[in-house]
Amino acid sequence: AQKVTQAQTEISVVEKEDVTLDCVYETRDTTYYLFWYKQPPSGELVFLIRRNSFDEQNEISGRYSWNFQKSTSSFNFTITASQVVDSAVYFCALSEDGYSTLTFGKGTMLLVSP
Amino acid sequence: DAGVIQSPRHEVTEMGQEVTLRCKPISGHDYLFWYRQTMMRGLELLIYFNNNVPIDDSGMPEDRFSAKMPNASFSTLKIQPSEPRDSAVYFCASRDRGGGYTFGSGTRLTVV
Repeated sequence: AQKVTQAQTEISVVEKEDVTLDCVYETRDTTYYLFWYKQPPSGELVFLIRRNSFDEQNEISGRYSWNFQKSTSSFNFTITASQVVDSAVYFCALSEDGYSTLTFGKGTMLLVSP
Repeated sequence: DAGVIQSPRHEVTEMGQEVTLRCKPISGHDYLFWYRQTMMRGLELLIYFNNNVPIDDSGMPEDRFSAKMPNASFSTLKIQPSEPRDSAVYFCASRDRGGGYTFGSGTRLTVV
């Protein structure tokens, strides 16, 4: 069975600090996809990234970066120089190939104060 | 593209009443999902459809919940009768053939 664990329930930082959100997953499949979503206070789920299990290259998009390590079954998300607008709940999710649903972690609430 | 459209955005109803939530997926997406979000349980899958056919409804909490997808452009999630513990945010999502998921804005349901 697939499972996603986000051990950090809540993180508080001051603006301009770097912050890393952890995600650990469990799956028996060799082919799977990992996702990150952002849920701002307005409530919608905003897609951030999707990676497949065969692509372990780290990815950077502006202030956002992702570190995928199959050896530790982790897909961590780092925000560099955090801003108040980054305050949101962030969800990590897993989709196994051939089983089309997304399994979400419990989410990490990030609070960035000025 | 207007994205996944859910209606209503907010619904307040009295216990025992029937509630119908609506979803219009993105045209061309062949999968549709209904998720429920609560503080206690997080985001949990209720049911999903592939080409309008229900594939897995094991997440539907009980017989009071039902979902239909009469055509490729419309789905409903119905709760009858509603109970206070059904209060949650209900998300609809559709998935394209490349594996990309798009979520609607959600319906915040409050049962009093």
